[in-house]
Amino acid sequence: EIVLTQSPDFQSVAPKETVTITCRASQTVGYSLHWYQLKPDQSPKLLIEFTSRSLSGVPSRFSGSGYGTDFTLTISSLEPEDAATYFCHQSKTSSYNFGQGTKLEIK
Amino acid sequence: EVQLIESGGGLVQPGGSLRLSCSASGFSITSHYMHWVRRDPGRGLMWVGFISPDGTRLLYADSVKGRFAISRDIAKNTLYLQMNSLRVEDTAIYSCTRNSDMHPFDPWGLGTLVTVSS
Repeated sequence: EIVLTQSPDFQSVAPKETVTITCRASQTVGYSLHWYQLKPDQSPKLLIEFTSRSLSGVPSRFSGSGYGTDFTLTISSLEPEDAATYFCHQSKTSSYNFGQGTKLEIK
Repeated sequence: EVQLIESGGGLVQPGGSLRLSCSASGFSITSHYMHWVRRDPGRGLMWVGFISPDGTRLLYADSVKGRFAISRDIAKNTLYLQMNSLRVEDTAIYSCTRNSDMHPFDPWGLGTLVTVSS
């Protein structure tokens, strides 16, 4: 089974700053790594698919990169509404694992 | 508009059963893999299982295998999750979602809360 490990678990960042969240896979997932945003009382929202492809309607300040086992989600020029928990997710294998989540606080 | 709405959650005692429903609109559940995923603050997101578009393939996470069963009613365009022998650690919000082969899950329903407690 593929294990996805995110870092950090928690980060507190000021508005307009840039944050980088990493996701490391225990074995290669190719480009089949996706990022979701989860806010309280909402359903997970797909932000980035296949490592770096942004979804329609997602602000351009969200970007992703990586391949194989190491991936990053970068949020630049943070806005207050970016406060949320972010999860990575692999669809390379049918265990469909998720990372443990990174909680982002906007100071 | 594609929409998924779950129902059927509630409070159940350990060892009990519950059946969740996921009503889909804006698309046919026979056109996608349909999944159940659960989330709770302590353990994050966990994939529970899926049913294939043609309904012939069912797959479950090891922790629910033999206890949970996914089914569907094509006429009602509704997905189900039958949960038996429930444990305290099954407490979570259960959401349904969909994907195409190797694609991400999108969209998701809001979920329904299942609480297993005596």
